[in-house]
Order: sequence, then C-alpha cells, then structure tokens
Amino acid sequence: QKEVEQDPGPLSVPEGAIVSLNCTYSNSAFQYFMWYRQYSRKGPELLMYTYSSGNKEDGRFTAQVDKSSKYISLFIRDSQPSDSATYLCAMRGGGYQKVTFGIGTKLQVIP
Amino acid sequence: DAGVIQSPRHEVTEMGQEVTLRCKPISGHNSLFWYRQTMMRGLELLIYFNNNVPIDDSGMPEDRFSAKMPNASFSTLKIQPSEPRDSAVYFCASSLVPEPEAGANVLTFGAGSRLTVL
Repeated sequence: QKEVEQDPGPLSVPEGAIVSLNCTYSNSAFQYFMWYRQYSRKGPELLMYTYSSGNKEDGRFTAQVDKSSKYISLFIRDSQPSDSATYLCAMRGGGYQKVTFGIGTKLQVIP
Repeated sequence: DAGVIQSPRHEVTEMGQEVTLRCKPISGHNSLFWYRQTMMRGLELLIYFNNNVPIDDSGMPEDRFSAKMPNASFSTLKIQPSEPRDSAVYFCASSLVPEPEAGANVLTFGAGSRLTVL
C-alpha cells in the first residue's frame, strides 16, 4: 500500500462547478499537508499548505485536513478553464522528512 | 529571480549512453532535490542536498545513477549507462531549510528535463 493514495482521474467538470479533490494517507507522522498544481509540460507549483488539522482558505481554494481520518481535501469554487491541470497532494512529517507526493489528479474544466 | 533552471529540456538517447541533467537552483536556497516523475509512479524523490552535501540518497534507484552538487548554484544528475526504463521527466527543486516561518518545506520546481531512452 502506498503512503499517499490519490485518484488519478481524469476528472471533467463544467465551468462554474465546485471541484473536490482528495487524498488519503497512512503515515500518522505527517504534519504538513500541501497541494501543488502542475500544468502540462511544467513543473509543480505550490498552491496551498496547512499544518496539522483544520481548514485554510485562499480565494476560490479551500484546503481541509482531517488527521483523525487521515484524509485531506482541496475544494475549488467557481471552477475556471484555467484551473485545468493536475493537482498533487503532498505531505511530510516534522523536521526534515522527505515530501511524499500523491500521483496527482488530472482536472479538466469545460467552458 | 529566473526560478530553478534545468537543462536540457528534452533529451533523446540510445540505451547504454551516458545522460547528464543539469540544474541551477534559486539563489539563496540551501536545499536541492532531484525528483523523477512517471505516469505509473508519480513523483519520486531521488536525492536531497543541503548546503551542497547529499543528505538522503535512498531514492536513487541503482548505481547507474549519481548526483553531484559542486557548489551552491549548480547540480548534476548523471545516468550511466542509460536504459529504456529510465525514460521519465526529471525535476530539480530547491528550497530554504529550515523554513523562514513555520511552513511546509516549500519546493520550487524547475520545468523538468524529459528523457527518452530508446
């Protein structure tokens, strides 16, 4: 079993829809939780990060962490065609520990 | 800052040839990471340098792979001899460790080097 599980999709939604992206994990030592966005033929770029459990909002994006369930989510409100990309969850423990990535979910927002 | 710069962007080579990938991290960052991305396995960490010293190379697949960081502004990843199963996109990323504030080891990635081994 992988440490981080993420559905690769693809996920196709109409413009304006609310998108929900999720990851589950097995390592209870993970404390930092991140979402990276990767456009085609580009490197991943950090979208949001949260520490421990809770919610964090940034514009149309909301990240949620439920450590008790080992489950993290990214919500995108009013999705736009420019949101079409692959979204990778990532996480690590405290101190130096390597960042472990999910395989990424490919999202397409249809105009 | 121009960000993390990788070269070449694309490399096509034949099995058995030596491949060298290059990376220039962001100025001021003290940590450098080499990742490999494939459809089947996603992003995998190959090696991590801190202050030019290799800290974690547990992800290097085998002796055919080697990485160096001779100074703070340059790193190479070498594959010798290359095999078709090495075909992937190789990313270099840099960061500042420890983080200036409680954060998440924010990685800044380069655009990647797409390697095809025939």
